[in-house]
Amino acid sequence: GQNIDQPTEMTATEGAIVQINCTYQTSGFNGLFWYQQHAGEAPTFLSYNVLDGLEEKGRFSSFLSRSKGYSYLLLKELQMKDSASYLCAVRGGDYKLSFGAGTTVTVRA
Amino acid sequence: NAGVTQTPKFQVLKTGQSMTLQCAQDMNHEYMSWYRQDPGMGLRLIHYSVGAGITDQGEVPNGYNVSRSTTEDFPLRLLSAAPSQTSVYFCASSYETSSSGANVLTFGAGSRLTVL
Repeated sequence: GQNIDQPTEMTATEGAIVQINCTYQTSGFNGLFWYQQHAGEAPTFLSYNVLDGLEEKGRFSSFLSRSKGYSYLLLKELQMKDSASYLCAVRGGDYKLSFGAGTTVTVRA
Repeated sequence: NAGVTQTPKFQVLKTGQSMTLQCAQDMNHEYMSWYRQDPGMGLRLIHYSVGAGITDQGEVPNGYNVSRSTTEDFPLRLLSAAPSQTSVYFCASSYETSSSGANVLTFGAGSRLTVL
C-alpha cells in the first residue's frame, strides 16, 4: 500500500510564502502530483514531478527528492483565492494514483 | 467541450436502497476511475477502467459495482446503500495511465451522497 503524509492545516498572510510538505512511502514510483481543491469543488491539477528537482509554474513551484520520499509545494505571493486544500498524490509502481488527506491553506488579509 | 460530467450532484438514500451515479467524458480518455472523499482521509480509489470492457478494483471496492460498455461512460452502482457510504464521490479520467507521463486526471464536479 501507499503511505502519504502532509500537514492538515496551514495559515499564512496575503503576499507571503507558504511551503506544504509531503512525504511518501510507496511500492514503486511513477510520478508525484499536486492538486488544488477549493471547498465544494473538484480537484484541479497544479504540478507534476517525476525527476528530482524543482518545477516552477508562475507563483507555484514543486520540488521532488525521490531518495528521501519527499516533495513540497511552494506558493509565493499568496492571494486570498489561494485559500484551498492542496492534495499530494503519488503514482506507484502499479500506476494507480494514491492521494494524501490534503492540506487546508487559509490565507488571511 | 464538457469534460467529465457527473450526475446527480446531490442524492439522499435510505439504507438498503440502490442507485447509480452516472459519469460521462467527451475527451476520448481511455482511463476512468471513481474515488470517494471523506473528511481526513483523502481521495480513495473505488474502481477503475483502462478501456471499454475492462474494469478493476481499487482500494475500497466493497458495496460498489461498475461497468464500462463504452469509452465515454463509467457508471458506479451502489447495490444496497449503507450509512458508511455517505461521502462525496468523484469520477476522474485521463488519456491513459500505464506510463510515466503526466497523464493528468480530470475530475468531475462530484456527487454528494447521504445514506440515512
